[in-house]
Amino acid sequence: GESVGLHLPTLSVQEGDNSIINCAYSNSASDYFIWYKQESGKGPQFIIDIRSNMDKRQGQRVTVLLNKTVKHLSLQIAATQPGDSAVYFCAERDTGTASKLTFGTGTRLQVTL
Amino acid sequence: DGGITQSPKYLFRKEGQNVTLSCEQNLNHDAMYWYRQDPGQGLRLIYYSQIVNDFQKGDIAEGYSVSREKKESFPLTVTSAQKNPTAFYLCASSRGLTGELFFGEGSRLTVL
Repeated sequence: GESVGLHLPTLSVQEGDNSIINCAYSNSASDYFIWYKQESGKGPQFIIDIRSNMDKRQGQRVTVLLNKTVKHLSLQIAATQPGDSAVYFCAERDTGTASKLTFGTGTRLQVTL
Repeated sequence: DGGITQSPKYLFRKEGQNVTLSCEQNLNHDAMYWYRQDPGQGLRLIYYSQIVNDFQKGDIAEGYSVSREKKESFPLTVTSAQKNPTAFYLCASSRGLTGELFFGEGSRLTVL
């Protein structure tokens, strides 16, 4: 079936640097995408979302980029802080069919001092 | 504060026992969900409910059961038929099926 593709790699970034976490999705009908942050032993927290009629959306220190041509989503975190250390998941949905969110496997972000 | 409360946070079970995980939300959300999370894997949907007294199977419903008698409550029972129940279980809710998901803090079940 359709899937959002993320292995569980680890991204190691120095404090203060920018982080870029990538996600590939395979369902071309998906039109809504979310990034979640999950700290160890806790539930995922919403970071930012984007709909397919946009290619970029900015939040506080975070930016999500969507490239529908190559079915690629990325999360950029500016000036990465130790508190950003967590597993980051992307999720996608085809709202036209009211389908459920499909989650990727996540990327672990480690912030080094 | 509005949110989702899961209990217990940690639970140990002997093989052959059923256990029930609680999930309560005060966000007035119509939709509620149960996910299972295993190490190195994404969240997998067990069951979801769009409205009271209605629920649907997700991708991995075998060995689980749910009920939705009240809007704010969506308990999950892990039955003895679930062959590999040790996992981290996450409950979530949303305003509708297409809305943003809000998650609880999770319940970690360990089968001894």
